Amino acid sequence: GENVEQHPSTLSVQEGDSAVIKCTYSDSASNYFPWYKQELGKGPQLIIDIRSNVGEKKDQRIAVTLNKTAKHFSLHITETQPEDSAVYFCAASITGTYKYIFGTGTRLKVLA
Amino acid sequence: GAVVSQHPSWVICKSGTSVKIECRSLDFQATTMFWYRQFPKQSLMLMATSNEGSKATYEQGVEKDKFLINHASLTLSTLTVTSAHPEDSSFYICSARDSLAGDYIQYFGAGTRLSVL
Repeated sequence: GENVEQHPSTLSVQEGDSAVIKCTYSDSASNYFPWYKQELGKGPQLIIDIRSNVGEKKDQRIAVTLNKTAKHFSLHITETQPEDSAVYFCAASITGTYKYIFGTGTRLKVLA
Repeated sequence: GAVVSQHPSWVICKSGTSVKIECRSLDFQATTMFWYRQFPKQSLMLMATSNEGSKATYEQGVEKDKFLINHASLTLSTLTVTSAHPEDSSFYICSARDSLAGDYIQYFGAGTRLSVL
């Protein structure tokens, strides 16, 4: 079945610097890859997503890249701000369903 | 935007009692909803897929008689934790898919923290 690995588990950056989180997936037929931000005690919020027919997508300070050949995708946050501090989860769709498998999460801390 | 409301946000119950958690899609129809469980500092684990008008589909290892799911309308799914025990204490989160959009996107509720004494 599908497996998603996420690295790093924790990441500290200085305010204004960039942050990159990487995920790899095992099922080459997966075709949808969302990224969620979860603040303490709250539900996950979708911040960006990408489909398998696209290599890159950008939304202001956030971008996602997808390498289908290597089966990995990455989240890039530029000009980080303290409010970006949270846990970020990647996910991959399970082929033939609308279900997701989530990565293990990355705790991002932006230092002011 | 698509909003999913989950209630209650926090519940404490005694061991052996049952607890019901509601998940509502406020501005869209959701024939499919999902229930997740999340332990502290861990990822989201899918428990079951809730299908409007039919039986839920449970993931391997999840006891269907323990976690009862009812999806009686296009906007409401409920999860009942029956005969709760301390090991059932966790953060339960629901999500919903916009059926008309025909998309993969899942919109998440704010979660319910269950503490069983």
